[in-house]
Amino acid sequence: TQLLEQSPQFLSIQEGENLTVYCNSSSVFSSLQWYRQEPGEGPVLLVTVVTGGEVKKLKRLTFQFGDARKDSSLHITAAQPGDTGLYLCAGAEGYSTLTFGKGTMLLVSP
Amino acid sequence: NAGVTQTPKFQVLKTGQSMTLQCAQDMNHNSMYWYRQDPGMGLRLIYYSASEGTTDKGEVPNGYNVSRLNKREFSLRLESAAPSQTSVYFCASSEAGQEYGYTFGSGTRLTVV
Repeated sequence: TQLLEQSPQFLSIQEGENLTVYCNSSSVFSSLQWYRQEPGEGPVLLVTVVTGGEVKKLKRLTFQFGDARKDSSLHITAAQPGDTGLYLCAGAEGYSTLTFGKGTMLLVSP
Repeated sequence: NAGVTQTPKFQVLKTGQSMTLQCAQDMNHNSMYWYRQDPGMGLRLIYYSASEGTTDKGEVPNGYNVSRLNKREFSLRLESAAPSQTSVYFCASSEAGQEYGYTFGSGTRLTVV
């Protein structure tokens, strides 16, 4: 079973701060996805990264896939209260089902 | 809005009772999934259906059964509910090829007393 370790588990910051969350594995993934989940809702896909070393930007969010395709990071610039939620990474290996990490709970206070 | 619809949103069962969680998607996706989400455990796959007419066990299938009724609908049945099945259940669907990501429903919060 492939495992994805996310860190930190919980992050509480003030509005305007920058932050990075990490997703690490000993396994190689063909692609990696990041989701955000708000309370009472299902996860929503933010981005998919496929190529080792790939960087994708989504407004204030920057996603990077490690060169060896074993890890990924999510950086948020100038966090806002609307960024509050559970951030999940998920790895895909070929045509198998996704493996999800346990998530990073982010709380951004005004 | 297009997407994945789950019913019911909330349910309380007594130990030993049975129930079926319903899921339907209107995106013409081939693959559908059932997950449970528990504090500290993350999302764990119960069953999935890669295409209409096929179902396979995931990480935690014991105590559950599924039916892929047609391309749109994928139901999850608890035959004899146990307190350990208290959880939030999510249904998801996807195109073939994992790079497209999953579309999740809004979940069913199930409590077994």
